[in-house]
Amino acid sequence: EVQLVESGGGLVQPGGSLRLSCAASDFTVSSNYMSWVRQAPGKGLEWVSVLFTGGKTYYTESAKGRFTISRDSSKNTLHLQMNSLRPDDTAVYYCARDVSRTSWPYWYFDLWGRGTLVTVSS
Amino acid sequence: EIVMTQSPATLSVSPGERATLSCRASQSVSTKLAWYQYKPGQAPRLLIYGASTRATGIPARFSGSGSGTEFTLTISSLQSEDFAVYYCQQHDNWPPVTFGQGTKLEIK
Repeated sequence: EVQLVESGGGLVQPGGSLRLSCAASDFTVSSNYMSWVRQAPGKGLEWVSVLFTGGKTYYTESAKGRFTISRDSSKNTLHLQMNSLRPDDTAVYYCARDVSRTSWPYWYFDLWGRGTLVTVSS
Repeated sequence: EIVMTQSPATLSVSPGERATLSCRASQSVSTKLAWYQYKPGQAPRLLIYGASTRATGIPARFSGSGSGTEFTLTISSLQSEDFAVYYCQQHDNWPPVTFGQGTKLEIK
């Protein structure tokens, strides 16, 4: 079954770090444009970061310099390393696959995981 | 950054009736607009892309329309499984792509 399963969330103190993982089944992460999207409590969805097939990355402004998106092709897994975490990073984090199977992303998402909760609090 | 505004925040509709959800962009996104369905604890589901194209496996009762800054998602005859939160997302101007705040569709 084609699916994404996130893990790695939890409770962390402000200034701390977490590494999220997103394991893919029945398709290849490195052949797809993969994003992280989050949803803070009571808020809407917010795109966080993307990893292109060629390795290029983009981040939302609030994540620049603190978050790093990467992939482990041997494990078919997407990661999000989050450092210097702040209370406003508290959210459910989803990984999502871009619909594009061509040379450029379409920037909408046909496959999502169920998310992993990150809580930043002292 | 393009701001997406959805209305209403909550919509109460009876099963079998039609539901109309709105999404407005702060600047033109042409027809680069997607709609998603979200149920708590589940993965979001792509319904519509390109403003009006149904994604694979999406029932015909879901339809999208609009261009520029004004968009509509219509569910023609609500089924019990349609009660959920719906998000619009512009995929024209990136990064970042941006989502609306959501419309909760509840049973009347």
